[in-house]
Amino acid sequence: EVQLVQSGAEVKKPGESLKISCKGSGYSFTGYWIGWVRQMPGKGLEWMGIIYPGDSNTRYSPSFQGQVTISADKSITTAYLQWSSLKASDTAMYYCAVNFWSGYYGMDVWGQGTTVTVSS
Amino acid sequence: QSALTQPASVSGSPGQSITISCTGTSSDVGGYNSVSWYQQHPGKAPKLMIYDVSNRPSGVSNRFSGSKSGNTASLTISGLQAEDEADYYCNSYTSSTKRVFGGGTKLTVL
Repeated sequence: EVQLVQSGAEVKKPGESLKISCKGSGYSFTGYWIGWVRQMPGKGLEWMGIIYPGDSNTRYSPSFQGQVTISADKSITTAYLQWSSLKASDTAMYYCAVNFWSGYYGMDVWGQGTTVTVSS
Repeated sequence: QSALTQPASVSGSPGQSITISCTGTSSDVGGYNSVSWYQQHPGKAPKLMIYDVSNRPSGVSNRFSGSKSGNTASLTISGLQAEDEADYYCNSYTSSTKRVFGGGTKLTVL
């Protein structure tokens, strides 16, 4: 069974760094793109970016380029989303999702989400 | 890149059919057959319902169908059930930003 298990909720202060994770299992981790989506409180979904763990090829939405870093460690079948300096506006739910069937970086199977709260 | 345009809300009675539209441009919806639809219940992760305009993943009810005409994609739910009440989002490939979501539509089953 394909599963994406995300790390637990985080509460951070502005300016702190953070790295959240998404562990894939039940499929060939290196063979499929895995991406990240933001959902701010009470708002819609926003596509952030995606990585191909096989060669770490990465694509970012212009809105998130330079604001976050997407990476993957294929040895432990885990993708990451990280911030070097959090802002209050980074408070949101973050989902990872893997692209199995959809063309062009679509998000097909989703993780359960990680809540990030940034507050002083 | 602006979000794709969806109606904020739609409603229907059990057993009826409803359609949710998703309007973009020739650079996204109209230019590629890569439109997906997601269902999201409160407090839950989104679930893929339709991919590549009209394909259903295994396990998704055939009451859900997708189509596209020009720059507008549509999701139709037939035989509406109480469990269909949720938020629905469209998503398309776009030449500029790779993927873009619609603003979301709240479906109310009356």
